[in-house]
Amino acid sequence: NAGVTQTPKFRVLKTGQSMTLLCAQDMNHEYMYWYRQDPGMGLRLIHYSVGEGTTAKGEVPDGYNVSRLKKQNFLLGLESAAPSQTSVYFCASSYSGTGGIAFFGQGTRLTVV
Amino acid sequence: RKEVEQDPGPFNVPEGATVAFNCTYSNSASQSFFWYRQDCRKEPKLLMSVYSSGNEDGRFTAQLNRASQYISLLIRDSKLSDSATYLCVVNTGGTGKLIFGQGTTLQVKP
Repeated sequence: NAGVTQTPKFRVLKTGQSMTLLCAQDMNHEYMYWYRQDPGMGLRLIHYSVGEGTTAKGEVPDGYNVSRLKKQNFLLGLESAAPSQTSVYFCASSYSGTGGIAFFGQGTRLTVV
Repeated sequence: RKEVEQDPGPFNVPEGATVAFNCTYSNSASQSFFWYRQDCRKEPKLLMSVYSSGNEDGRFTAQLNRASQYISLLIRDSKLSDSATYLCVVNTGGTGKLIFGQGTTLQVKP
């Protein structure tokens, strides 16, 4: 059972480079989320999606873009990476926005040098 | 001010102790509430949902106070394996946002 799969699991970028993180879920969930986690900061919501073709900003959206062209995939893009974006990124999905339990991917450790 | 706030701790307790964590949220329209557990920067996993009437799962008891906008988690008879970070999570329902607190670290010592 795959659940939520994140690709890649590790990446090192140079400042100014771009990249896309892929999140795929096979549970037919409507809701998907991207978070970043920094030491002592907990998980902070970057962007989220309440369904295919829709996206919305979270707590810390600046410097990131997202797309949800297919229900099962939620992409997070960094157009011009900065050292401040060094973090662990988690994707999650949920079947409901009003009480559904969120299931998480294993995370992507991104370092920007 | 963050929408969901927790005391980050750490809480250092001996085995067998009872420990309680609190969490406050600012959005009165929040509809659902959860406690998640996270081990060593692995992905968070659901510990338990929090219901208005309070709920219990073995050694864990969760309570919700909507009037004061806080959630609590009580762990009885702490085990070494309970050492982890406990994350308070609030779903604002209408917007679909799922907001996490910064987490409370628990270290249970022999």
